[in-house]
Amino acid sequence: QKEVEQNSGPLSVPEGAIASLNCTYSDRGSQSFFWYRQYSGKSPELIMSIYSNGDKEDGRFTAQLNKASQYVSLLIRDSQPSDSATYLCAVRTGGQNFVFGPGTRLSVLP
Amino acid sequence: DAGITQSPRYKITETGRQVTLMCHQTWSHSYMFWYRQDLGHGLRLIYYSAAADITDKGEVPDGYVVSRSKTENFPLTLESATRSQTSVYFCASSQGTVYGYTFGSGTRLTVV
Repeated sequence: QKEVEQNSGPLSVPEGAIASLNCTYSDRGSQSFFWYRQYSGKSPELIMSIYSNGDKEDGRFTAQLNKASQYVSLLIRDSQPSDSATYLCAVRTGGQNFVFGPGTRLSVLP
Repeated sequence: DAGITQSPRYKITETGRQVTLMCHQTWSHSYMFWYRQDLGHGLRLIYYSAAADITDKGEVPDGYVVSRSKTENFPLTLESATRSQTSVYFCASSQGTVYGYTFGSGTRLTVV
């Protein structure tokens, strides 16, 4: 079974710090990787996608992919209390379907 | 309004009743999906559709039926609701294989 794993958290960081969220996946053939943010009681919202090894930056967010280690991460710089949410890692393992990780709950403390 | 909308937002139904959750998107995305989200299980795929009249099972399809007669609509029917189907249901759509999903706002279903 294709799996995506994340630490459930909560991960607590002080305001202004860097939050580092990690995700590992089991299917070596996976091609596309996505990070979603989900506020409590809301639907998941796409914040980053990455397809190639290396880093991809978008504002305060950086996604990092290492296919050899089957590892994808999300860094949030200058964390704000408004970043407090659950972050879901999603991996496209083939076709159109994603496998979602269980999510990491992030708490940014003022 | 443009986007992906789900209805109803909240639904309480009794065990054994049939209930249909609606999903409508205005982008003409080919792909549409139904997920359920439960504590301890995360998001699990119920059914998906690659185009009108093309549907396929996901990870947890038992007890659910879908149809897609029009590109923009993808209703999910619980034929005979059970308490284990109490969950938050999300519909999503996607343009294609390199794009992520856009989720609807969800339907919180309670089966009593």
